[in-house]
Amino acid sequence: DIQMTQSPSSLSASVGDRVTITCRASQGIGNDLAWYQQKPGKVPKLLLYAASILQSGVPSRFSGSGSGTDFTLTVSSLQPEDVATYYCQNYNSAPPITFGQGTRLEIK
Amino acid sequence: EGQLVESGGGLVQPGGSLRLSCAASGFTFRYYWMSWVRQAPGKGLEWVANIHEDGNEKHYVDSVKGRFTISRDNAKNSLYLQMDSLRPEDTAVYYCGRGKGRLDYWGQGTLVTVSS
Repeated sequence: DIQMTQSPSSLSASVGDRVTITCRASQGIGNDLAWYQQKPGKVPKLLLYAASILQSGVPSRFSGSGSGTDFTLTVSSLQPEDVATYYCQNYNSAPPITFGQGTRLEIK
Repeated sequence: EGQLVESGGGLVQPGGSLRLSCAASGFTFRYYWMSWVRQAPGKGLEWVANIHEDGNEKHYVDSVKGRFTISRDNAKNSLYLQMDSLRPEDTAVYYCGRGKGRLDYWGQGTLVTVSS
């Protein structure tokens, strides 16, 4: 199975900061990677897919990049409503589909 | 706008069974793969199973193989998860999602608690 490792596990940043979360796959997955946002007590929401394509309705301050084994999610200017846990997901070699362990993002 | 609504969760003893349902609306259900994902309390997301549009191809995470069965009824726009031989480690919120890999619509989730 392909393992997905996110870093950091948690981070704290100030409003307006540029924030980057990384996700590494244990083997190449092309660009078959999605990012999800889960706000406290809420349902996960798809942010990006195919590593860099923004899901409809998602603010443009979110962006993604990478291919193969290394991927990043960037928030260009952190907003208070971005407090959430972020998950990457591999859907290349499914099954099984695998998620990263999550990155908790807080406001400093 | 698509909508998914799960039901059927609850408290069950170890070794027991439960059947989850997911009612879909707002999109043509029979055109999409569907999936189940779970989240144990305070933990991350874990994919459980998915099923082809016509129901003839199914996949499961190893930890539920032989115990859980995913199915669908396209005439009723519904997805199901039959869970047998439940274990305490199956305790989680179970979400249904639209898609095979990336999931663009999620239900609100239904809590399954396996405990004596």
